[in-house]
Amino acid sequence: NAGVTQTPKFQVLKTGQSMTLQCAQDMNHEYMSWYRQDPGMGLRLIHYSVGAGITDQGEVPNGYNVSRSTTEDFPLRLLSAAPSQTSVYFCASTGGLAYGYTFGSGTRLTVV
Amino acid sequence: KNEVEQSPQNLTAQEGEFITINCSYSVGISALHWLQQHPGGGIVSLFMLSSGKKKHGRLIATINIQEKHSSLHITASHPRDSAVYICAGTGNQFYFGTGTSLTVIP
Repeated sequence: NAGVTQTPKFQVLKTGQSMTLQCAQDMNHEYMSWYRQDPGMGLRLIHYSVGAGITDQGEVPNGYNVSRSTTEDFPLRLLSAAPSQTSVYFCASTGGLAYGYTFGSGTRLTVV
Repeated sequence: KNEVEQSPQNLTAQEGEFITINCSYSVGISALHWLQQHPGGGIVSLFMLSSGKKKHGRLIATINIQEKHSSLHITASHPRDSAVYICAGTGNQFYFGTGTSLTVIP
């Protein structure tokens, strides 16, 4: 089925560990983005990309890196995990600002 | 102040009631999105609109560009409508409201 695939669904990390959250879409969407969702704060934009080779920071980029080597993939890297990064992470894609979003199923990350 | 404000934050309704969730925005946007998130679940796009009104089943979304306001209506509400409803605007970037948590009681 066409859509956005996020892996893993759940992850527990120790403080200081690094990891990569994977996001892939098969709809040929140019725009992809990563959000974190925390209780009472809604969705906050971490990083986004408007096409292969182009990335930019969102509202809360510190502690995260991204790259966009292909249209399909947009991985999010946690460089040195901190308890403040405990959250639910969503990846989303869209064909453009005039189109709807498609969201991945989310990754629940706990940093201990 | 958030660029997109939703009200109410929490809403409880009896099954069958007509429900309205409001969204106001303070930035220029090209489109307004309504998203639905079920407890523990993913996020689904319900509507994207830039003018007027859209209807899908029991859900109706309206937008008033001049007043920078949108509403999501649910007619004949049902317990399965219980979810968080999120308003989001797309302009130079994407702006999200903090969501309205709806509980429909049988």
